[in-house]
Amino acid sequence: GENVEQHPSTLSVQEGDSAVIKCTYSDSASNYFPWYKQELGKRPQLIIDIRSNVGEKKDQRIAVTLNKTAKHFSLHITETQPEDSAVYFCAAKAISGGYNKLIFGAGTRLAVHP
Amino acid sequence: DAGVIQSPRHEVTEMGQEVTLRCKPISGHNSLFWYRQTMMRGLELLIYFNNNVPIDDSGMPEDRFSAKMPNASFSTLKIQPSEPRDSAVYFCASSFLKSYEQYFGPGTRLTVT
Repeated sequence: GENVEQHPSTLSVQEGDSAVIKCTYSDSASNYFPWYKQELGKRPQLIIDIRSNVGEKKDQRIAVTLNKTAKHFSLHITETQPEDSAVYFCAAKAISGGYNKLIFGAGTRLAVHP
Repeated sequence: DAGVIQSPRHEVTEMGQEVTLRCKPISGHNSLFWYRQTMMRGLELLIYFNNNVPIDDSGMPEDRFSAKMPNASFSTLKIQPSEPRDSAVYFCASSFLKSYEQYFGPGTRLTVT
């Protein structure tokens, strides 16, 4: 069935460094890839997304890249700050049946140390 | 926009009791999703509705779990009887059917003792 794998499961960086989280998906027909940030005790919040008709999208310090051939997509955070510390989830839209179900990765716990 | 609303925010109950979780989606959204989150299993999709109709309930753990959406602005997730292994945070999310962005509610933290 459809599957999304996410790596690494934990990531520790120094403030100001960059962080990269990578995901792979199994359904080659998937066409929408969102990223969610979940702070401790809070809800997952959509921070950026990308659709299959583009290869890269940026929003200030956050960027997402998509390689459809390899079925990879990645989240890049530059100039990390302590408030970036959270769990990040990638997801891919399931295409089967034409419905709008998302398949989530297992999450990456990012720690940014001052 | 009030966002997705869930109640209660916290629920503590004893094993064997019935638990009902409630969700109000964002006004105008016509897709609604119920998720369960635990440390061990991560974020799991339990069931989702399009235009109030259940589309995929393959994630519902067992017959003790049931969900309804009687109208476009209200959904319930019921567990009867509850068990300690049901302890988790339950999230509701909503979206437009033809859009892809899902917006999550604040969640209900359920503890079954």
